[in-house]
Amino acid sequence: KQEVTQIPAALSVPEGENLVLNCSFTDSAIYNLQWFRQDPGKGLTSLLLIQSSQREQTSGRLNASLDKSSGRSTLYIAASQPGDSATYLCAVAAGNKLTFGGGTRVLVKP
Amino acid sequence: DTGVSQDPRHKITKRGQNVTFRCDPISEHNRLYWYRQTLGQGPEFLTYFQNEAQLEKSRLLSDRFSAERPKGSFSTLEIQRTEQGDSAMYLCASSRVGQTQETQYFGPGTRLLVL
Repeated sequence: KQEVTQIPAALSVPEGENLVLNCSFTDSAIYNLQWFRQDPGKGLTSLLLIQSSQREQTSGRLNASLDKSSGRSTLYIAASQPGDSATYLCAVAAGNKLTFGGGTRVLVKP
Repeated sequence: DTGVSQDPRHKITKRGQNVTFRCDPISEHNRLYWYRQTLGQGPEFLTYFQNEAQLEKSRLLSDRFSAERPKGSFSTLEIQRTEQGDSAMYLCASSRVGQTQETQYFGPGTRLLVL
């Protein structure tokens, strides 16, 4: 059974600092890995999707890496802003469903 | 694309009552998923449809839960004889199989509170 873990569970940084969010998974037989953002009481917004054959994806200030052999992904957010405050979830796709981690709650202080 | 929509956004019910939620996927998305998210946790997979066929159900989906997608467009999720443990956010997502990157797009969710 696939298990996804995100550490830390919560993170507080001053504005401008770079964010590093970690995700680990137990079964390397994945189709892809996605990072999502969730604001309080809201649905999920897809940030980045990395196919299993890829090593990283970039979008603006966001960069996500994938090391399938070690079962790890890292989301980097450069030059954090207060608007980046949210919960960030990683999810791995195996078959036709996503298995999510518990999320990292991020607070960027102005 | 107008995005995935869900109705209602919030539902408060008494224990033992039945509730039904609706999800409208992005048009032309042939896959539709239901997830449940409890406070402080990541979403958990419940079930998914490809067109009108329900192809997989999680063990989380007890016999009090039923989902349908009768015409391969919108879907409903019904919970019978609700229990307090059913209180959660119910999320719907859709995707288009066959795309190079099969991203699941999520709706805003329906928050259920069972008193």
